[in-house]
Amino acid sequence: KQEVTQIPAALSVPEGENLVLNCSFTDSAIYNLQWFRQDPGKGLTSLLLIQSSQREQTSGRLNASLDKSSGRSTLYIAASQPGDSATYLCAVHPYLRANNLFFGTGTRLTVIP
Amino acid sequence: DTAVSQTPKYLVTQMGNDKSIKCEQNLGHDTMYWYKQDSKKFLKIMFSYNNKELIINETVPNRFSPKSPDKAHLNLHINSLELGDSAVYFCASSQDWHIQETQYFGPGTRLLVL
Repeated sequence: KQEVTQIPAALSVPEGENLVLNCSFTDSAIYNLQWFRQDPGKGLTSLLLIQSSQREQTSGRLNASLDKSSGRSTLYIAASQPGDSATYLCAVHPYLRANNLFFGTGTRLTVIP
Repeated sequence: DTAVSQTPKYLVTQMGNDKSIKCEQNLGHDTMYWYKQDSKKFLKIMFSYNNKELIINETVPNRFSPKSPDKAHLNLHINSLELGDSAVYFCASSQDWHIQETQYFGPGTRLLVL
Protein backbone atom coordinates (compact mmCIF):
# COMPACT_ATOMS: atom_id res chain seq x y z
CA LYS A 1 0.00 0.00 0.00
CA GLN A 2 1.33 3.39 -1.00
CA GLU A 3 1.90 5.87 1.82
CA VAL A 4 3.16 9.40 1.35
CA THR A 5 4.74 11.35 4.19
CA GLN A 6 5.80 14.97 4.33
CA ILE A 7 8.22 16.46 6.82
CA PRO A 8 8.05 18.93 8.44
CA ALA A 9 4.32 19.42 8.98
CA ALA A 10 4.87 23.14 9.43
CA LEU A 11 7.74 25.51 8.73
CA SER A 12 8.30 29.22 9.39
CA VAL A 13 11.17 31.07 7.75
CA PRO A 14 12.15 34.74 7.37
CA GLU A 15 11.75 36.28 3.95
CA GLY A 16 14.68 35.71 1.61
CA GLU A 17 15.71 32.33 2.99
CA ASN A 18 16.13 29.28 0.83
CA LEU A 19 14.23 26.23 2.07
CA VAL A 20 13.62 22.56 1.38
CA LEU A 21 10.42 20.59 1.80
CA ASN A 22 10.61 16.81 1.98
CA CYS A 23 8.34 14.07 0.69
CA SER A 24 8.79 10.33 1.04
CA PHE A 25 6.76 7.46 -0.39
CA THR A 26 6.79 3.75 0.40
CA ASP A 27 6.26 2.18 -3.03
CA SER A 28 8.71 3.23 -5.74
CA ALA A 29 6.50 1.89 -8.56
CA ILE A 30 5.22 5.27 -9.65
CA TYR A 31 4.58 7.02 -12.94
CA ASN A 32 5.35 10.45 -11.60
CA LEU A 33 5.29 12.73 -8.59
CA GLN A 34 3.66 16.13 -8.38
CA TRP A 35 4.01 19.06 -6.05
CA PHE A 36 0.92 21.16 -5.39
CA ARG A 37 0.27 24.36 -3.54
CA GLN A 38 -2.91 24.90 -1.52
CA ASP A 39 -3.86 28.37 -0.31
CA PRO A 40 -6.32 28.69 2.60
CA GLY A 41 -9.89 28.24 1.44
CA LYS A 42 -8.84 27.47 -2.11
CA GLY A 43 -8.15 24.50 -4.31
CA LEU A 44 -4.84 22.99 -5.29
CA THR A 45 -2.52 24.43 -7.88
CA SER A 46 -0.01 22.17 -9.60
CA LEU A 47 3.56 23.47 -9.29
CA LEU A 48 5.80 20.80 -10.77
CA LEU A 49 5.39 17.32 -12.19
CA ILE A 50 8.39 14.97 -12.35
CA GLN A 51 8.15 11.85 -14.47
CA SER A 52 9.64 8.68 -12.99
CA SER A 53 12.47 8.80 -15.52
CA GLN A 54 13.46 12.34 -14.52
CA ARG A 55 15.66 13.53 -11.70
CA GLU A 56 14.42 17.08 -11.33
CA GLN A 57 12.18 19.81 -12.66
CA THR A 58 12.53 23.56 -12.31
CA SER A 59 10.06 26.40 -12.53
CA GLY A 60 11.25 29.84 -11.57
CA ARG A 61 12.40 29.79 -7.95
CA LEU A 62 11.16 26.23 -7.48
CA ASN A 63 13.19 23.10 -8.02
CA ALA A 64 11.85 19.62 -7.38
CA SER A 65 14.01 16.51 -7.29
CA LEU A 66 13.06 12.87 -7.38
CA ASP A 67 14.99 9.83 -6.17
CA LYS A 68 12.56 7.08 -7.04
CA SER A 69 14.67 4.21 -5.77
CA SER A 70 14.87 5.67 -2.28
CA GLY A 71 11.28 6.92 -2.36
CA ARG A 72 12.12 10.58 -1.83
CA SER A 73 11.44 13.94 -3.34
CA THR A 74 12.37 17.44 -2.29
CA LEU A 75 10.97 20.82 -3.21
CA TYR A 76 13.54 23.59 -3.03
CA ILE A 77 12.27 27.17 -2.84
CA ALA A 78 14.87 29.86 -3.42
CA ALA A 79 14.71 33.36 -1.97
CA SER A 80 11.39 32.79 -0.24
CA GLN A 81 8.72 35.52 -0.30
CA PRO A 82 5.65 36.13 1.89
CA GLY A 83 3.51 35.17 -1.12
CA ASP A 84 4.99 31.69 -0.91
CA SER A 85 3.08 31.12 2.33
CA ALA A 86 0.74 28.18 1.71
CA THR A 87 0.45 24.45 2.27
CA TYR A 88 2.58 22.37 -0.08
CA LEU A 89 1.41 18.89 -0.96
CA CYS A 90 3.24 16.15 -2.79
CA ALA A 91 1.35 13.39 -4.59
CA VAL A 92 2.49 10.22 -6.31
CA HIS A 93 0.85 8.59 -9.27
CA PRO A 94 1.18 4.84 -8.69
CA TYR A 95 2.03 2.55 -11.56
CA LEU A 96 -1.03 0.78 -12.99
CA ARG A 97 -3.39 3.10 -11.10
CA ALA A 98 -3.82 5.67 -13.83
CA ASN A 99 -4.35 9.13 -12.42
CA ASN A 100 -5.15 7.88 -8.94
CA LEU A 101 -3.00 10.29 -6.97
CA PHE A 102 -1.87 9.48 -3.43
CA PHE A 103 -1.29 12.65 -1.44
CA GLY A 104 0.89 13.46 1.52
CA THR A 105 -0.49 15.44 4.45
CA GLY A 106 1.34 18.57 3.42
CA THR A 107 3.79 21.08 4.85
CA ARG A 108 2.35 24.40 5.96
CA LEU A 109 4.86 27.11 5.07
CA THR A 110 4.86 30.60 6.55
CA VAL A 111 7.31 33.16 5.18
CA ILE A 112 7.70 36.03 7.62
CA PRO A 113 8.24 39.50 6.12
CA ASP B 1 -12.58 32.14 -16.72
CA THR B 2 -12.76 29.54 -13.97
CA ALA B 3 -11.38 26.23 -15.21
CA VAL B 4 -12.97 23.94 -12.60
CA SER B 5 -15.89 25.31 -10.61
CA GLN B 6 -17.88 23.84 -7.75
CA THR B 7 -21.17 24.81 -6.13
CA PRO B 8 -21.91 25.44 -3.40
CA LYS B 9 -18.75 26.73 -1.78
CA TYR B 10 -20.14 26.10 1.70
CA LEU B 11 -22.79 23.62 2.79
CA VAL B 12 -24.13 23.26 6.33
CA THR B 13 -26.79 20.64 6.88
CA GLN B 14 -28.34 18.30 9.42
CA MET B 15 -27.45 14.66 9.86
CA GLY B 16 -29.69 12.40 7.77
CA ASN B 17 -30.28 14.91 4.99
CA ASP B 18 -29.51 14.34 1.31
CA LYS B 19 -27.35 16.90 -0.50
CA SER B 20 -25.62 17.40 -3.84
CA ILE B 21 -22.43 19.16 -4.88
CA LYS B 22 -21.97 20.21 -8.49
CA CYS B 23 -18.77 20.39 -10.50
CA GLU B 24 -18.14 21.77 -13.96
CA GLN B 25 -14.96 22.09 -16.00
CA ASN B 26 -14.53 24.20 -19.13
CA LEU B 27 -11.14 22.78 -20.11
CA GLY B 28 -12.46 20.18 -22.52
CA HIS B 29 -11.00 17.41 -20.36
CA ASP B 30 -12.20 13.83 -20.57
CA THR B 31 -11.55 12.79 -16.98
CA MET B 32 -12.98 14.16 -13.74
CA TYR B 33 -12.44 13.28 -10.09
CA TRP B 34 -13.84 13.77 -6.61
CA TYR B 35 -11.48 14.01 -3.62
CA LYS B 36 -12.22 14.29 0.09
CA GLN B 37 -9.96 16.29 2.43
CA ASP B 38 -10.61 15.43 6.05
CA SER B 39 -10.05 17.49 9.20
CA LYS B 40 -6.40 16.41 9.29
CA LYS B 41 -5.95 17.83 5.77
CA PHE B 42 -5.42 14.38 4.27
CA LEU B 43 -6.59 14.38 0.66
CA LYS B 44 -7.91 11.10 -0.74
CA ILE B 45 -9.50 10.22 -4.05
CA MET B 46 -13.12 9.06 -4.02
CA PHE B 47 -14.17 8.65 -7.65
CA SER B 48 -12.84 9.06 -11.15
CA TYR B 49 -14.91 9.31 -14.33
CA ASN B 50 -13.67 9.18 -17.89
CA ASN B 51 -16.07 10.27 -20.63
CA LYS B 52 -19.01 9.88 -18.27
CA GLU B 53 -18.00 6.36 -17.21
CA LEU B 54 -16.88 5.36 -13.73
CA ILE B 55 -13.20 4.39 -13.63
CA ILE B 56 -12.26 4.49 -9.96
CA ASN B 57 -14.36 3.96 -6.85
CA GLU B 58 -12.10 3.92 -3.82
CA THR B 59 -14.27 2.01 -1.33
CA VAL B 60 -16.62 4.90 -0.83
CA PRO B 61 -19.94 4.12 0.95
CA ASN B 62 -22.97 3.59 -1.26
CA ARG B 63 -24.46 6.75 0.21
CA PHE B 64 -22.16 8.64 -2.17
CA SER B 65 -23.33 8.52 -5.76
CA PRO B 66 -21.51 10.46 -8.47
CA LYS B 67 -23.38 11.39 -11.61
CA SER B 68 -21.90 12.59 -14.88
CA PRO B 69 -24.56 13.97 -17.25
CA ASP B 70 -21.85 14.91 -19.73
CA LYS B 71 -18.09 14.91 -19.68
CA ALA B 72 -17.94 18.53 -18.50
CA HIS B 73 -19.91 17.82 -15.33
CA LEU B 74 -19.46 15.45 -12.41
CA ASN B 75 -21.91 15.92 -9.57
CA LEU B 76 -21.74 14.25 -6.18
CA HIS B 77 -24.93 13.26 -4.38
CA ILE B 78 -24.75 12.19 -0.76
CA ASN B 79 -27.65 10.39 0.94
CA SER B 80 -28.30 10.17 4.67
CA LEU B 81 -25.46 12.48 5.65
CA GLU B 82 -23.40 11.50 8.70
CA LEU B 83 -21.20 13.56 11.01
CA GLY B 84 -18.11 11.90 9.54
CA ASP B 85 -18.96 13.25 6.11
CA SER B 86 -17.89 16.71 7.25
CA ALA B 87 -14.90 17.59 5.11
CA VAL B 88 -13.81 19.62 2.14
CA TYR B 89 -14.70 17.99 -1.17
CA PHE B 90 -12.58 18.84 -4.21
CA CYS B 91 -13.43 18.24 -7.82
CA ALA B 92 -10.61 17.93 -10.36
CA SER B 93 -10.14 17.20 -14.04
CA SER B 94 -7.39 16.06 -16.38
CA GLN B 95 -7.06 15.77 -20.14
CA ASP B 96 -7.21 12.00 -20.24
CA TRP B 97 -6.93 9.21 -17.73
CA HIS B 98 -4.38 7.30 -19.82
CA ILE B 99 -2.03 10.19 -20.15
CA GLN B 100 0.01 11.36 -17.19
CA GLU B 101 -1.52 14.78 -17.23
CA THR B 102 -1.70 17.35 -14.49
CA GLN B 103 -4.95 17.43 -12.58
CA TYR B 104 -6.67 20.79 -12.22
CA PHE B 105 -8.57 21.30 -9.00
CA GLY B 106 -11.68 23.27 -8.15
CA PRO B 107 -11.84 25.58 -5.10
CA GLY B 108 -13.52 22.99 -2.90
CA THR B 109 -16.88 22.64 -1.13
CA ARG B 110 -16.79 22.84 2.64
CA LEU B 111 -19.43 20.49 4.03
CA LEU B 112 -20.40 20.61 7.69
CA VAL B 113 -22.86 18.05 9.00
CA LEU B 114 -24.48 18.94 12.32
